Amino acid sequence: GEDVEQSLFLSVREGDSSVINCTYTDSSSTYLYWYKQEPGAGLQLLTYIFSNMDMKQDQRLTVLLNKKDKHLSLRIADTQTGDSAIYFCAESKHDYKLSFGAGTTVTVRA
Amino acid sequence: GAGVSQSPRYKVTKRGQDVALRCDPISGHVSLYWYRQALGQGPEFLTYFNYEAQQDKSGLPNDRFSAERPEGSISTLTIQRTEQRDSAMYRCASSLSGSSQETQYFGPGTRLLVL
Repeated sequence: GEDVEQSLFLSVREGDSSVINCTYTDSSSTYLYWYKQEPGAGLQLLTYIFSNMDMKQDQRLTVLLNKKDKHLSLRIADTQTGDSAIYFCAESKHDYKLSFGAGTTVTVRA
Repeated sequence: GAGVSQSPRYKVTKRGQDVALRCDPISGHVSLYWYRQALGQGPEFLTYFNYEAQQDKSGLPNDRFSAERPEGSISTLTIQRTEQRDSAMYRCASSLSGSSQETQYFGPGTRLLVL
């Protein structure tokens, strides 16, 4: 929605790193998430970060959070063709409602 | 399968008809959520259940939309007198509890097309 913004498209060469960026407006956000959507499948939670953290690493995924600038990024190392998908940034405050961005379509080219 | 399931996966209907969309959450999950996702957008919150109680329906766009979860498991989202603007992907999610720390697991969605 309006509270979360992402760039719409990213093209990356196989084997390179991908960086997907997201900005949010509400400083009271408690959790920030990255979801992956593949055709015909549901939204898959990739990773999340609590608002008092700066960085979280999970295998090929690195999440960076800059609270001052309200900026979140997802870095995918050694991008593979299976990483082609739409990636959604989402935030939650102190409740269950998730607010999603419009999604970034990542295309991995050989 | 242990994931969230939704049916039908695709629904084409004529304007003015009623539709019912079903969600079967992960067994044992207390909380259930409905979201709507327009083409090219992220999902938007519609409503939330804790067990059978509808705790929040603030995202339902108007009174043609309703949802129920009578036995605290399967949920149905009903749209009456459908309009073309209702065309979207309707996604259901469930979580173990309603805490903001709990992961919401999403189903594959029902794509609704109103002609």
